[in-house]
Amino acid sequence: AQSVAQPEDQVNVAEGNPLTVKCTYSVSGNPYLFWYVQYPNRGLQFLLKYITGDNLVKGSYGFEAEFNKSQTSFHLKKPSALVSDSALYFCAVRDPYSPDRDDKIIFGKGTRLHILP
Amino acid sequence: DAGVTQSPTHLIKTRGQHVTLRCSPISGHKSVSWYQQVLGQGPQFIFQYYEKEERGRGNFPDRFSARQFPNYSSELNVNALLLGDSALYLCASSLRTSGATYNEQFFGPGTRLTVL
Repeated sequence: AQSVAQPEDQVNVAEGNPLTVKCTYSVSGNPYLFWYVQYPNRGLQFLLKYITGDNLVKGSYGFEAEFNKSQTSFHLKKPSALVSDSALYFCAVRDPYSPDRDDKIIFGKGTRLHILP
Repeated sequence: DAGVTQSPTHLIKTRGQHVTLRCSPISGHKSVSWYQQVLGQGPQFIFQYYEKEERGRGNFPDRFSARQFPNYSSELNVNALLLGDSALYLCASSLRTSGATYNEQFFGPGTRLTVL
Protein backbone atom coordinates (compact mmCIF):
# COMPACT_ATOMS: atom_id res chain seq x y z
CA ALA A 1 0.00 0.00 0.00
CA GLN A 2 1.19 3.47 -0.78
CA SER A 3 2.29 5.61 2.14
CA VAL A 4 4.34 8.65 3.01
CA ALA A 5 6.34 9.30 6.16
CA GLN A 6 7.43 12.55 7.71
CA PRO A 7 9.90 11.50 10.42
CA GLU A 8 10.00 14.85 12.23
CA ASP A 9 7.03 16.22 14.15
CA GLN A 10 8.70 19.60 14.45
CA VAL A 11 11.65 21.40 12.88
CA ASN A 12 13.18 24.57 14.32
CA VAL A 13 15.30 26.83 12.13
CA ALA A 14 16.76 30.28 12.70
CA GLU A 15 15.60 32.97 10.30
CA GLY A 16 17.95 33.29 7.36
CA ASN A 17 19.26 29.73 7.67
CA PRO A 18 18.47 27.02 5.13
CA LEU A 19 15.64 24.67 6.02
CA THR A 20 14.85 21.06 5.16
CA VAL A 21 11.65 19.18 5.91
CA LYS A 22 12.00 15.46 5.33
CA CYS A 23 9.67 13.09 3.52
CA THR A 24 10.01 9.49 2.42
CA TYR A 25 7.48 7.54 0.42
CA SER A 26 6.49 3.99 -0.33
CA VAL A 27 4.65 3.34 -3.58
CA SER A 28 5.04 1.00 -6.50
CA GLY A 29 6.28 2.47 -9.73
CA ASN A 30 6.93 6.16 -10.22
CA PRO A 31 5.01 8.24 -7.70
CA TYR A 32 3.35 11.60 -7.97
CA LEU A 33 4.63 13.64 -5.01
CA PHE A 34 3.36 16.86 -3.49
CA TRP A 35 4.04 19.34 -0.74
CA TYR A 36 1.27 21.37 0.86
CA VAL A 37 1.42 24.01 3.60
CA GLN A 38 -1.27 24.76 6.17
CA TYR A 39 -1.43 28.00 8.11
CA PRO A 40 -3.54 28.25 11.30
CA ASN A 41 -7.27 28.12 10.61
CA ARG A 42 -6.62 27.84 6.90
CA GLY A 43 -6.96 25.10 4.35
CA LEU A 44 -4.06 23.50 2.56
CA GLN A 45 -2.07 25.51 0.04
CA PHE A 46 -0.27 23.76 -2.80
CA LEU A 47 3.49 24.36 -2.85
CA LEU A 48 4.90 22.08 -5.52
CA LYS A 49 4.64 18.72 -7.23
CA TYR A 50 6.83 16.12 -8.88
CA ILE A 51 5.30 14.05 -11.66
CA THR A 52 8.22 13.36 -13.96
CA GLY A 53 11.31 15.08 -15.34
CA ASP A 54 13.92 17.07 -13.46
CA ASN A 55 14.49 15.74 -9.95
CA LEU A 56 14.69 19.27 -8.53
CA VAL A 57 11.29 20.89 -8.47
CA LYS A 58 10.77 24.58 -7.76
CA GLY A 59 7.58 25.78 -6.17
CA SER A 60 5.85 28.70 -4.52
CA TYR A 61 7.40 31.11 -1.98
CA GLY A 62 10.97 30.08 -2.83
CA PHE A 63 10.53 26.45 -1.83
CA GLU A 64 11.99 23.56 -3.77
CA ALA A 65 12.07 19.80 -3.37
CA GLU A 66 14.39 17.11 -4.59
CA PHE A 67 13.10 13.76 -5.76
CA ASN A 68 15.51 10.95 -4.94
CA LYS A 69 14.33 7.62 -6.31
CA SER A 70 17.09 5.51 -4.78
CA GLN A 71 16.35 6.85 -1.30
CA THR A 72 12.59 7.13 -1.94
CA SER A 73 12.70 10.65 -0.57
CA PHE A 74 11.20 14.00 -1.49
CA HIS A 75 12.63 16.52 0.97
CA LEU A 76 11.39 20.11 0.98
CA LYS A 77 14.03 22.81 1.07
CA LYS A 78 14.47 26.56 1.14
CA PRO A 79 17.83 28.37 1.05
CA SER A 80 16.89 31.11 3.52
CA ALA A 81 14.02 30.74 5.98
CA LEU A 82 11.57 33.51 6.83
CA VAL A 83 9.55 33.84 10.03
CA SER A 84 6.45 33.81 7.82
CA ASP A 85 7.36 30.27 6.70
CA SER A 86 6.28 29.00 10.12
CA ALA A 87 3.41 26.62 9.44
CA LEU A 88 2.42 22.96 9.16
CA TYR A 89 3.84 21.18 6.11
CA PHE A 90 2.43 18.05 4.55
CA CYS A 91 4.06 15.70 2.11
CA ALA A 92 1.66 13.68 -0.03
CA VAL A 93 1.80 10.93 -2.63
CA ARG A 94 -0.47 9.59 -5.32
CA ASP A 95 -0.14 6.19 -6.89
CA PRO A 96 -0.20 6.80 -10.65
CA TYR A 97 -1.36 3.22 -11.19
CA SER A 98 -4.27 3.47 -8.80
CA PRO A 99 -6.82 0.93 -10.02
CA ASP A 100 -9.62 3.19 -8.86
CA ARG A 101 -8.54 5.91 -11.31
CA ASP A 102 -9.30 8.46 -8.66
CA ASP A 103 -7.32 11.50 -7.59
CA LYS A 104 -6.84 10.28 -4.03
CA ILE A 105 -3.64 11.47 -2.45
CA ILE A 106 -2.18 10.08 0.75
CA PHE A 107 -0.85 12.63 3.20
CA GLY A 108 1.85 12.32 5.81
CA LYS A 109 1.06 13.34 9.37
CA GLY A 110 2.71 16.71 8.92
CA THR A 111 5.79 18.54 10.18
CA ARG A 112 5.45 21.76 12.13
CA LEU A 113 8.09 24.25 11.03
CA HIS A 114 9.13 26.96 13.47
CA ILE A 115 11.31 29.77 12.14
CA LEU A 116 12.97 31.57 15.03
CA PRO A 117 13.60 35.31 14.62
CA ASP B 1 -10.84 34.25 -9.30
CA ALA B 2 -12.52 32.82 -6.23
CA GLY B 3 -10.94 29.73 -4.76
CA VAL B 4 -12.71 26.72 -3.34
CA THR B 5 -15.39 27.83 -0.90
CA GLN B 6 -16.93 25.81 1.90
CA SER B 7 -19.83 26.36 4.23
CA PRO B 8 -20.33 26.60 7.07
CA THR B 9 -16.94 27.49 8.54
CA HIS B 10 -17.79 26.07 11.95
CA LEU B 11 -20.45 23.69 13.16
CA ILE B 12 -21.35 22.18 16.51
CA LYS B 13 -23.52 19.08 16.66
CA THR B 14 -24.39 16.44 19.23
CA ARG B 15 -23.93 12.72 18.96
CA GLY B 16 -26.49 10.99 16.76
CA GLN B 17 -27.33 14.07 14.73
CA HIS B 18 -26.86 14.50 11.01
CA VAL B 19 -24.73 17.12 9.26
CA THR B 20 -24.42 18.46 5.71
CA LEU B 21 -21.30 20.27 4.56
CA ARG B 22 -21.14 22.19 1.30
CA CYS B 23 -18.40 22.93 -1.19
CA SER B 24 -18.16 25.07 -4.32
CA PRO B 25 -15.19 24.29 -6.56
CA ILE B 26 -13.07 26.71 -8.47
CA SER B 27 -14.84 27.82 -11.63
CA GLY B 28 -14.15 25.32 -14.41
CA HIS B 29 -13.12 22.53 -12.07
CA LYS B 30 -15.24 19.43 -12.45
CA SER B 31 -13.65 17.18 -9.84
CA VAL B 32 -14.33 17.54 -6.13
CA SER B 33 -12.73 15.53 -3.35
CA TRP B 34 -13.45 15.45 0.38
CA TYR B 35 -10.90 14.88 3.11
CA GLN B 36 -11.14 14.56 6.89
CA GLN B 37 -8.36 16.06 9.00
CA VAL B 38 -8.38 15.01 12.62
CA LEU B 39 -6.33 17.20 14.97
CA GLY B 40 -2.66 16.32 14.76
CA GLN B 41 -3.01 14.18 11.65
CA GLY B 42 -2.79 14.65 7.92
CA PRO B 43 -5.95 14.79 5.82
CA GLN B 44 -7.57 11.46 4.94
CA PHE B 45 -9.40 10.90 1.69
CA ILE B 46 -13.15 10.34 1.98
CA PHE B 47 -14.65 10.71 -1.51
CA GLN B 48 -14.00 11.98 -4.99
CA TYR B 49 -16.69 13.02 -7.46
CA TYR B 50 -16.14 13.80 -11.11
CA GLU B 51 -18.88 14.73 -13.52
CA LYS B 52 -21.42 13.93 -10.80
CA GLU B 53 -20.23 10.34 -10.43
CA GLU B 54 -18.34 8.85 -7.51
CA ARG B 55 -14.81 8.07 -8.65
CA GLY B 56 -13.21 7.07 -5.37
CA ARG B 57 -14.06 6.22 -1.81
CA GLY B 58 -11.79 6.07 1.19
CA ASN B 59 -12.02 3.81 4.20
CA PHE B 60 -14.98 5.49 5.88
CA PRO B 61 -18.24 3.94 7.11
CA ASP B 62 -21.52 4.15 5.23
CA ARG B 63 -22.60 6.96 7.54
CA PHE B 64 -20.58 9.17 5.22
CA SER B 65 -22.10 9.98 1.85
CA ALA B 66 -21.70 12.67 -0.76
CA ARG B 67 -23.05 13.91 -4.02
CA GLN B 68 -22.16 16.36 -6.76
CA PHE B 69 -24.61 18.67 -8.44
CA PRO B 70 -24.86 19.75 -12.11
CA ASN B 71 -22.97 22.97 -11.28
CA TYR B 72 -20.17 20.75 -9.83
CA SER B 73 -20.73 21.89 -6.26
CA SER B 74 -20.84 19.10 -3.72
CA GLU B 75 -22.33 18.08 -0.40
CA LEU B 76 -20.87 15.77 2.22
CA ASN B 77 -23.40 14.18 4.55
CA VAL B 78 -22.61 12.42 7.79
CA ASN B 79 -25.33 10.54 9.67
CA ALA B 80 -25.44 9.36 13.28
CA LEU B 81 -22.55 11.55 14.32
CA LEU B 82 -19.95 10.16 16.71
CA LEU B 83 -17.50 12.04 18.89
CA GLY B 84 -14.73 10.77 16.64
CA ASP B 85 -16.21 12.60 13.66
CA SER B 86 -14.97 15.87 15.14
CA ALA B 87 -12.49 17.16 12.60
CA LEU B 88 -11.72 19.69 9.92
CA TYR B 89 -13.43 18.64 6.71
CA LEU B 90 -11.63 19.82 3.61
CA CYS B 91 -12.93 20.04 0.10
CA ALA B 92 -10.59 20.11 -2.88
CA SER B 93 -11.24 20.71 -6.54
CA SER B 94 -9.18 19.97 -9.61
CA LEU B 95 -9.41 20.47 -13.34
CA ARG B 96 -9.30 16.73 -14.05
CA THR B 97 -8.48 17.08 -17.73
CA SER B 98 -8.54 13.98 -19.89
CA GLY B 99 -5.32 12.14 -20.51
CA ALA B 100 -2.56 11.04 -18.23
CA THR B 101 -1.65 14.43 -16.78
CA TYR B 102 -2.53 14.80 -13.14
CA ASN B 103 -3.96 18.13 -12.08
CA GLU B 104 -3.18 19.23 -8.56
CA GLN B 105 -5.95 19.69 -6.08
CA PHE B 106 -6.79 23.09 -4.62
CA PHE B 107 -8.21 23.05 -1.13
CA GLY B 108 -10.85 25.17 0.53
CA PRO B 109 -10.51 26.57 4.06
CA GLY B 110 -12.47 23.70 5.55
CA THR B 111 -15.43 23.24 7.87
CA ARG B 112 -14.58 22.69 11.52
CA LEU B 113 -17.07 20.14 12.90
CA THR B 114 -17.32 19.61 16.64
CA VAL B 115 -19.44 16.75 17.92
CA LEU B 116 -20.42 16.94 21.59
